[in-house]
Amino acid sequence: DQQVKQNSPSLSVQEGRISILNCDYTNSMFDYFLWYKKYPAEGPTFLISISSIKDKNEDGRFTVFLNKSAKHLSLHIVPSQPGDSAVYFCAASPKAAGNKLTFGGGTRVLVKP
Amino acid sequence: NAGVMQNPRHLVRRRGQEARLRCSPMKGHSHVYWYRQLPEEGLKFMVYLQKENIIDESGMPKERFSAEFPKEGPSILRIQQVVRGDSAAYFCASSTTGDTEAFFGQGTRLTVV
Repeated sequence: DQQVKQNSPSLSVQEGRISILNCDYTNSMFDYFLWYKKYPAEGPTFLISISSIKDKNEDGRFTVFLNKSAKHLSLHIVPSQPGDSAVYFCAASPKAAGNKLTFGGGTRVLVKP
Repeated sequence: NAGVMQNPRHLVRRRGQEARLRCSPMKGHSHVYWYRQLPEEGLKFMVYLQKENIIDESGMPKERFSAEFPKEGPSILRIQQVVRGDSAAYFCASSTTGDTEAFFGQGTRLTVV
């Protein structure tokens, strides 16, 4: 039972263009959502989060959008840079559960120079 | 301030042996989480510990797996009588409280031969 799904296993984008990563969830108890970036042989690094009381959160080149009614969130990276090439994981939790996160399967992003 | 330290980075065990994975949280962090990542999958929550206490072990397999976080020293994830299916990357994360941002270590890659 995959409660958090990232349906695109990979994404290729030209440097300078926008990367859009999507994530769907099924558990209505989730009210806190995070995106992590992961390079090979390293641990996940926190990128950006959003609480269910918001529908958008922005941090520099990264913006996360949340559509609660659709149980869908997306991460926009603009402009994309070659250093953004990594695997991106969407994660969710009920806020009360703190760091007990449920992760999606990841999307591998390749930014071409 | 060193990050979350995991050792060893790579561990090879024969079927039936024991694996002990260590995690030293960031300084000042008393909450530790263990996650497992099987090949080509997302991270899956295993266990959440505070000093000397297991808070949530709902993701731990019922047999052969145990975890501890003693008053002194690192957190240990112990896998007895390893099988090939235990081959995975095991990540530890730590946080100051249960609902502040968790930082991940670089992981231990366990290979069972």
